[in-house]
Amino acid sequence: QVQLQESGPGLVKPSETLSLTCTVSGDSISRYYWSWIRQPPEKGLEWIGYIYYSGKTNYNPSLKSRVTISVDTSKNQFSLNLSSLTATDTAIYYCARGRAVTTDENWYFDLWGRGTLVSVS
Amino acid sequence: SYELTQPPSVSVSPGQTARLTCSGDVLPKQYAHWYQQKPGQAPVLMIYKDSERPSGIPERFSGSSSGTTVTLTISGVQAEDEADYYCQSAGVFGGGTKLTVV
Repeated sequence: QVQLQESGPGLVKPSETLSLTCTVSGDSISRYYWSWIRQPPEKGLEWIGYIYYSGKTNYNPSLKSRVTISVDTSKNQFSLNLSSLTATDTAIYYCARGRAVTTDENWYFDLWGRGTLVSVS
Repeated sequence: SYELTQPPSVSVSPGQTARLTCSGDVLPKQYAHWYQQKPGQAPVLMIYKDSERPSGIPERFSGSSSGTTVTLTISGVQAEDEADYYCQSAGVFGGGTKLTVV
């Protein structure tokens, strides 16, 4: 079956850049809207952004200046870079598969990775 | 940018019906989707496009929409339904509702 697996460091220093990778197995990455979502401890979900396999991206306006999402179709992976980290970026980071509703103006997440905890300290 | 508002908590007895709401000005124009999250687990899609249920989701979960409010209804609540529930539309999530089965 289709699985998503996040990988990356569990601890990063303030002001540094976080780099996470999501490996997709069981399906081609050349479809769907591949997304990153995060959840600070004991708090709600926050959408970070998505990338379409073509390379088109869409980011949360509140994070846009610090976020880059890229895709490597040859490896069936997509990645997140989040720069200028502070303690408020401490969270579980999830990768997820997004499906567009009608256009790319709305989407939902039908498959999630298990998440990876990133601490900024 | 817009907001989606959910009540922080809802309590219900086993076998009863739980109705979880999500309100937002964008909802008459955009579909909403619902996720269930149990402690230590990733969210799971329960309802998409206001009322569509993915395969494998029990029929007791249903969704509806009216004006600026969408509702997730859980009929015949079971103890295993105790979880946090989030609504989402495009790039925005609601704050989540903690459903307690007492």
